[in-house]
Amino acid sequence: TQLLEQSPQFLSIQEGENLTVYCNSSSVFSSLQWYRQEPGEGPVLLVTVVTGGEVKKLKRLTFQFGDARKDSSLHITAAQPGDTGLYLCAGAGAGTASKLTFGTGTRLQVTL
Amino acid sequence: SQTIHQWPATLVQPVGSPLSLECTVEGTSNPNLYWYRQAAGRGLQLLFYSVGIGQISSEVPQNLSASRPQDRQFILSSKKLLLSDSGFYLCAYTRDFFYGYTFGSGTRLTVV
Repeated sequence: TQLLEQSPQFLSIQEGENLTVYCNSSSVFSSLQWYRQEPGEGPVLLVTVVTGGEVKKLKRLTFQFGDARKDSSLHITAAQPGDTGLYLCAGAGAGTASKLTFGTGTRLQVTL
Repeated sequence: SQTIHQWPATLVQPVGSPLSLECTVEGTSNPNLYWYRQAAGRGLQLLFYSVGIGQISSEVPQNLSASRPQDRQFILSSKKLLLSDSGFYLCAYTRDFFYGYTFGSGTRLTVV
């Protein structure tokens, strides 16, 4: 069974601060995705990374896929209250691209 | 455009009663379909997935079953609910992994 551990589990910061969320596994993933979920809704895709060492930027969000494709990070610069939500990483194993394993989640609260 | 409908949004059922949650997808054909369960504020656990009509794969032993009677319809069922079946159930589909899963808005099930 592939497991994805996220850290921290909870994060409460003030507007304007920077933060990094980590997603780690002992398994190799062929690709990895990050989602954000708001209360009472389903998760929404933020990004897909497929190459070891890949870095993608989405406005103030920077995503990195580890060289060995076992880990990933999400860095948010100058956090805003609108960034509040549950962040989930999700990995696809080799040969199982149709089936995602989701991480344990990081709940982010950004206050004014 | 592609959309996914999931209902009901909330459900309170007594222990031992049956369950039927329905999910339908519009605007695409032959999608991969998924049922996930989410504990409060945490990651998602894959329950079932389907790559075609009548094809169901179960990920974990449980009190639930799934069926796909039509290409774009996915149903989650139980004959007798347990207290431990309470949770937030999410249906999702994908046609192209790179573009991620599209989730329904979820069903909050409380078994009393």
